[in-house]
Amino acid sequence: QKEVEQNSGPLSVPEGAIASLNCTYSDRGSQSFFWYRQYSGKSPELIMFIYSNGDKEDGRFTAQLNKASQYVSLLIRDSQPSDSATYLCAVNPLGSSASKIIFGSGTRLSIRP
Amino acid sequence: NAGVMQNPRHLVRRRGQEARLRCSPMKGHSHVYWYRQLPEEGLKFMVYLQKENIIDESGMPKERFSAEFPKEGPSILRIQQVVRGDSAAYFCASSPEQGQYFGPGTRLTVT
Repeated sequence: QKEVEQNSGPLSVPEGAIASLNCTYSDRGSQSFFWYRQYSGKSPELIMFIYSNGDKEDGRFTAQLNKASQYVSLLIRDSQPSDSATYLCAVNPLGSSASKIIFGSGTRLSIRP
Repeated sequence: NAGVMQNPRHLVRRRGQEARLRCSPMKGHSHVYWYRQLPEEGLKFMVYLQKENIIDESGMPKERFSAEFPKEGPSILRIQQVVRGDSAAYFCASSPEQGQYFGPGTRLTVT
């Protein structure tokens, strides 16, 4: 079992709709969770982090964490063509920023006009 | 630009040559992480360094790869006797309190 699993996609969503990206992780002791966006040929960009169960909202983005189910999701409201990218779920298993992050293989999101 | 700096951005090496990739973390950060991304794959952790110390090298291949972060100057990822399978994007990241912030990467091509 992979440590961090994501559906590779592509996930196609119409412009203006909600895009829902999902991720599961295997290490039950994980404490910190991150979502990165990566455009083709570019470096990953941190867009959200979450530590506590529940929802965390930042503009059009909402991260959701359910530690009991070992599940993290990212919702993007009012999807725009510029949101088309690969979204990487990442987990810090040791609960500190000062350690490695385990990445999922990413979900490709395509927003169709 | 106070972000993570990496150079060169593109590097071409013939099989058997050495590749040196450099990374300067964000100002004030003393933790550096190196990741490798193969084409169409996710990011794989390689090594975590602090100034003059390797903290975690569990993702480093056993041979040909080494990393350092000296007291002065950038962190260096060194690949000796490169092979075609080393062709990838190599990213460096540094961390404040939350999350890791990535540099633009070095794209290594081995011919």
